[in-house]
Amino acid sequence: DAKTTQPPSMDCAEGRAANLPCNHSTISGNEYVYWYRQIHSQGPQYIIHGLKNNETNEMASLIITEDRKSSTLILPHATLRDTAVYYCIVRVGGGNQGGKLIFGQGTELSVKP
Amino acid sequence: GAVVSQHPSWVICKSGTSVKIECRSLDFQATTMFWYRQFPKQSLMLMATSNEGSKATYEQGVEKDKFLINHASLTLSTLTVTSAHPEDSSFYICSARGSTGELFFGEGSRLTVL
Repeated sequence: DAKTTQPPSMDCAEGRAANLPCNHSTISGNEYVYWYRQIHSQGPQYIIHGLKNNETNEMASLIITEDRKSSTLILPHATLRDTAVYYCIVRVGGGNQGGKLIFGQGTELSVKP
Repeated sequence: GAVVSQHPSWVICKSGTSVKIECRSLDFQATTMFWYRQFPKQSLMLMATSNEGSKATYEQGVEKDKFLINHASLTLSTLTVTSAHPEDSSFYICSARGSTGELFFGEGSRLTVL
């Protein structure tokens, strides 16, 4: 079973920041948090991942709480092309080298003009 | 970034026939590949983990005789849906793990069984 819970849907205005929350209260000490997104009828696209520190790349920022029980994905300036289902995933087993990704239900983000 | 290719991207077959879907890592070697299934409006469900040169490990509830997985080389894994029926119609997605642990997904293969 997935170890994450996310709101089923969210709306965001174009140009504004999209903040997508995720709860993973049962996460273990060496389990990483990954974020992927899926645009309709395509394969998932990697966004970002982290263990305990906040992370930033060209796509997004990942904020992980100190107790690691929740995290937030931030898209700083959402565009219409960011409309997708966003999955927060705890990588189970094997740290950042092994293990597998068990998908939860994700958040359907709609970016509106 | 690394590329994972699936073929075919879509396939339509008659009930009772078998269908093979290929997953290739185009520019890296993948000792481990994963197969997922996704029904409309639902999330991805992990079916099995495929390790090069050994038998696949299936998730609970997935019939190994129904979904045959072969991972004969470091760049190719195949999923064969045997004696397909309409309820097997789904979006099948593979993922490949590179040497540094990164996971890359294919674009998916849509199977429709008539």
